[in-house]
Amino acid sequence: KAGVTQTPRYLIKTRGQQVTLSCSPISGHRSVSWYQQTPGQGLQFLFEYFSETQRNKGNFPGRFSGRQFSNSRSEMNVSTLELGDSALYLCASSMLGPMNTEAFFGQGTRLTVV
Amino acid sequence: KQEVTQIPAALSVPEGENLVLNCSFTDSAIYNLQWFRQDPGKGLTSLLLIQSSQREQTSGRLNASLDKSSGRSTLYIAASQPGDSATYLCAVSRNTGNQFYFGTGTSLTVIP
Repeated sequence: KAGVTQTPRYLIKTRGQQVTLSCSPISGHRSVSWYQQTPGQGLQFLFEYFSETQRNKGNFPGRFSGRQFSNSRSEMNVSTLELGDSALYLCASSMLGPMNTEAFFGQGTRLTVV
Repeated sequence: KQEVTQIPAALSVPEGENLVLNCSFTDSAIYNLQWFRQDPGKGLTSLLLIQSSQREQTSGRLNASLDKSSGRSTLYIAASQPGDSATYLCAVSRNTGNQFYFGTGTSLTVIP
């Protein structure tokens, strides 16, 4: 079956712009979470959505936001981009059944802010 | 706040060697622990998931153990191969959701 799909794979944006990243989870998975990966900070949790509701939120500024649609696809948005937002953004999906909590990750979106 | 540490940060071994990667976490109240591998510039590939009530999981040449009380997990790789070269990450979750706390990873190089 198809894995987690993230689009686009690469993005170059200018400081001050905004960007929207997309994540399509594995079919049947209702939980989608987002992570930022940088060489200095490693993998950091941004937020998680389940059935269109934000369940958890990490310690990131309000410029980072997300949403989930009824088909479980999720988008994250970063407004007023800063150079420090350059990172690999990863999303993960999970079925979150009683005995099935394994998370599967997409290939990521590489965002470069210049 | 949960802190996850992985030791060593980097490891280089000759092909065929058995090896152990270590992961420790500060808060033992975890829901599950998952091991991943990451190839350069790529996403994460799930290797093994251990629920908090389990002690170990095995998949092929991989075996992962969990000791919640001491806050430790180990990933054992048997008969290492050059294709095993990657960064290995452990992650713990505190609830039924997908919020993971990640370690900084162990970069493994298997020399042919």
